Amino acid sequence: DQQVKQNSPSLSVQEGRISILNCDYTNSMFDYFLWYKKYPAEGPTFLISISSIKDKNEDGRFTVFLNKSAKHLSLHIVPSQPGDSAVYFCAASIAGGTSYGKLTFGQGTILTVHP
Amino acid sequence: DGGITQSPKYLFRKEGQNVTLSCEQNLNHDAMYWYRQDPGQGLRLIYYSQIVNDFQKGDIAEGYSVSREKKESFPLTVTSAQKNPTAFYLCASSRQITGELFFGEGSRLTVL
Repeated sequence: DQQVKQNSPSLSVQEGRISILNCDYTNSMFDYFLWYKKYPAEGPTFLISISSIKDKNEDGRFTVFLNKSAKHLSLHIVPSQPGDSAVYFCAASIAGGTSYGKLTFGQGTILTVHP
Repeated sequence: DGGITQSPKYLFRKEGQNVTLSCEQNLNHDAMYWYRQDPGQGLRLIYYSQIVNDFQKGDIAEGYSVSREKKESFPLTVTSAQKNPTAFYLCASSRQITGELFFGEGSRLTVL
């Protein structure tokens, strides 16, 4: 049972344009969401997160939007740069108690930004 | 510099052999985790430990074992019982408060 889904395995974008990566979840108990970026043969690195009490969080070129009623979140990268080319993972958790850090990941989306 | 160190980076194993992957962190994090990455399947949780001398099974613990004798160390043993051990293994740690995971660079295990 895939509780966190990234339905687009890949996305190709021109440099300077917007990249939109999508993620859906099924578990309504999830209340903390994160995006990670991963280069080949390396560990993922944290990008940005959002708590369920918010619907938007911004950090430089990266913005995450959360739509709780639709159980959907998205990561916007504006403007996209070739160095953004990587695999992006969406992750979710239930905050509090012993669940901190126990993340459920989506399958990942390969983003390619063309010069 | 603080971080998570995994070793070895690449490992080859014959079928029927156990192998242990090392994970050390100097971030003073309480919690540590092992994830496995397979193509098209994202990261799946194998085992996690919230405190020393305690650990819990994740979603795919069968064929794996761990220990947490020290706060800094969380080694993973891939046993011969693991049917499909060839994968990229990622160790992570977190502070309890944030829940954000910090990952090591990973270990790629190939069974010959």
